[in-house]
Amino acid sequence: DVKVTQSSRYLVKRTGEKVFLECVQDMDHENMFWYRQDPGLGLRLIYFSYDVKMKEKGDIPEGYSVSREKKERFSLILESASTNQTSMYLCASSWVRGGTEAFFGQGTRLTVV
Amino acid sequence: GENVEQHPSTLSVQEGDSAVIKCTYSDSASNYFPWYKQELGKRPQLIIDIRSNVGEKKDQRIAVTLNKTAKHFSLHITETQPEDSAVYFCAASNTGGFKTIFGAGTRLFVKA
Repeated sequence: DVKVTQSSRYLVKRTGEKVFLECVQDMDHENMFWYRQDPGLGLRLIYFSYDVKMKEKGDIPEGYSVSREKKERFSLILESASTNQTSMYLCASSWVRGGTEAFFGQGTRLTVV
Repeated sequence: GENVEQHPSTLSVQEGDSAVIKCTYSDSASNYFPWYKQELGKRPQLIIDIRSNVGEKKDQRIAVTLNKTAKHFSLHITETQPEDSAVYFCAASNTGGFKTIFGAGTRLFVKA
């Protein structure tokens, strides 16, 4: 059974703080993704990675960065958190290339105050 | 850029009725179309998918149809039950790329 685990379920951070969201998968998947989920906007891709140390911008990368030092771990970094980054963040992983199922983590609800 | 439009945004049906959710996509290279179900407070999970070489796929009460010419695909749920209440996301991707584009989601309510 594929497991994608996000380090926190709920986070509350202050404006201007540097925030780290961690994601770990145990299925040796090549691809990993960070999405942001907001009501009425669906799942919007922030960044993705198709290999260790590789990263590509998604549709809304501004204000975020990522790190993938190991195949199983993909971190999302908010360099200086702002209130408009309050959202649900979902990590996902999949086998190499598109055209395959994405497995999601349980989500991190981040509130920036 | 590529996008996926999903309708309706909210759907309310009586238990036992059918529910249909429709999506259109813009990228003609898309050839994989998954549907995900997200129950309240839970992660999205794949419920059915279809590839471009097939026009229809069925799994018990759930079916998906694909019209590549019109760039439409739809999810059909028959004999709806209260446990079908959730948010449903359609998506499109292609096997040559990495990105999956999601629709905005449909919140389905099944009234007992």
